[in-house]
Amino acid sequence: NAGVTQTPKFQVLKTGQSMTLQCAQDMNHEYMSWYRQDPGMGLRLIHYSVGAGITDQGEVPNGYNVSRSTTEDFPLRLLSAAPSQTSVYFCASSYSTDYTEAFFGQGTRLTVV
Amino acid sequence: GENVEQHPSTLSVQEGDSAVIKCTYSDSASNYFPWYKQELGKRPQLIIDIRSNVGEKKDQRIAVTLNKTAKHFSLHITETQPEDSAVYFCAARGGSNYKLTFGKGTLLTVNP
Repeated sequence: NAGVTQTPKFQVLKTGQSMTLQCAQDMNHEYMSWYRQDPGMGLRLIHYSVGAGITDQGEVPNGYNVSRSTTEDFPLRLLSAAPSQTSVYFCASSYSTDYTEAFFGQGTRLTVV
Repeated sequence: GENVEQHPSTLSVQEGDSAVIKCTYSDSASNYFPWYKQELGKRPQLIIDIRSNVGEKKDQRIAVTLNKTAKHFSLHITETQPEDSAVYFCAARGGSNYKLTFGKGTLLTVNP
């Protein structure tokens, strides 16, 4: 059981480039989300999904797109990378939207130069 | 939207002492309050959680208390050990949406 898998673990982008961070879970979880973690800022919600075909914005959605075409996958797209998007990104999934544990992926450290 | 405040931002204790981390939330409809531990370079992992219909929950050396009226909840760690050193995050899940909002974290250092 792999749990929540994120790729890549590290990435360096140039300003203006686009890329997709991949997230996959094999636990048949309904709820998936993306967070960014910056020093002193905690974990801030970017986008989330309560099921296949359903996505919504979190606290800091600007500059990011998501889609949820399958239950397993929830990719995060950076449209035109900016230095302000330098951060550690975590994908998380939960069995349901109810009182259930969020399982995190191992994180992606992104640097935009 | 929900706002979660966490204090203190750093906490240093001697091994064997107790540690307390406090959080407040703004949305009275929030109904689920988990605590996560994140070791350096690792992913956050759930250590304990509490629902809004419960006032206290304990798991060995860790306990969480919830005061719905005051909209605050706290993490208590007793008999701290060096391996408890990590960043701890509180979070709150809104009642009308499914967003999990995190506090900014507390860096706990347990000195041997």
